Amino acid sequence: GNSVTQMEGPVTLSEEAFLTINCTYTATGYPSLFWYVQYPGEGLQLLLKATKADDKGSNKGFEATYRKETTSFHLEKGSVQVSDSAVYFCALSEASYDKVIFGPGTSLSVIP
Amino acid sequence: SQTIHQWPATLVQPVGSPLSLECTVEGTSNPNLYWYRQAAGRGLQLLFYSVGIGQISSEVPQNLSASRPQDRQFILSSKKLLLSDSGFYLCAWSVGGTYNEQFFGPGTRLTVL
Repeated sequence: GNSVTQMEGPVTLSEEAFLTINCTYTATGYPSLFWYVQYPGEGLQLLLKATKADDKGSNKGFEATYRKETTSFHLEKGSVQVSDSAVYFCALSEASYDKVIFGPGTSLSVIP
Repeated sequence: SQTIHQWPATLVQPVGSPLSLECTVEGTSNPNLYWYRQAAGRGLQLLFYSVGIGQISSEVPQNLSASRPQDRQFILSSKKLLLSDSGFYLCAWSVGGTYNEQFFGPGTRLTVL
C-alpha cells in the first residue's frame, strides 16, 4: 500500500541555519504530495504542495520538489527562524482517493 | 471563504464517562469530513471519514463512533472513555477531486483521568 517515510526527529537548528527534512514515498500511481505544518497546540496547515513530477512547491521560504525518479519530496529552507519551530508532516494523496496518507511528522526546534 | 470549527477546545473527562466532540464546516457543500487522533509525540491516526450524510467509514476499531447528522456537521462520540482515548483530536475537510488537500480545524485536547 501507499506510505510516507520521513526522517526521524527531533531536529534542532540554530537560527539562520539551512534546513532539510527528508521525505520519501511509496505509491502505486502518481500521487499529489504535500507538506503540512503544525505549530504548538494548533491544527495542521497546508504549507506547500506539488501535483506532478518536477513540480516545485514553495511558500514562506520553504521549497520542495516532486522527484518521481527518487520518489522523494524533501523540504528545504535556506535560513530558518525561531518562528519555524513546529512539527512538519509529509503527505500524499492518490488521484483516485480522498484520503491523505501522512508521514509520522518531524519535530523542528530552532534556537536563537 | 471556508472555515472549520471544533469544540470544545479542551476537555477533561473521567474514565467511563461519555464523550461528544463536534465539528462544523462553513462555506462549502458536500465536503468530505475526517476525524484524526494525535497521541502525544506521535503522528496522525485517521479514525473516521465521511463522504456524505449518514455515511461513515471506520479506519480503526475503537470504542469511539462518529456520526454525520447534517452535511457540514461531524460528531465524534464514545459511550465510555478509556485512559488510552486521551489525545489531540483533529477534524478536517476536503473537496473530492483529483488532488485532495485537507483543511484542519484547531483541534480538541482530551485528557481522560
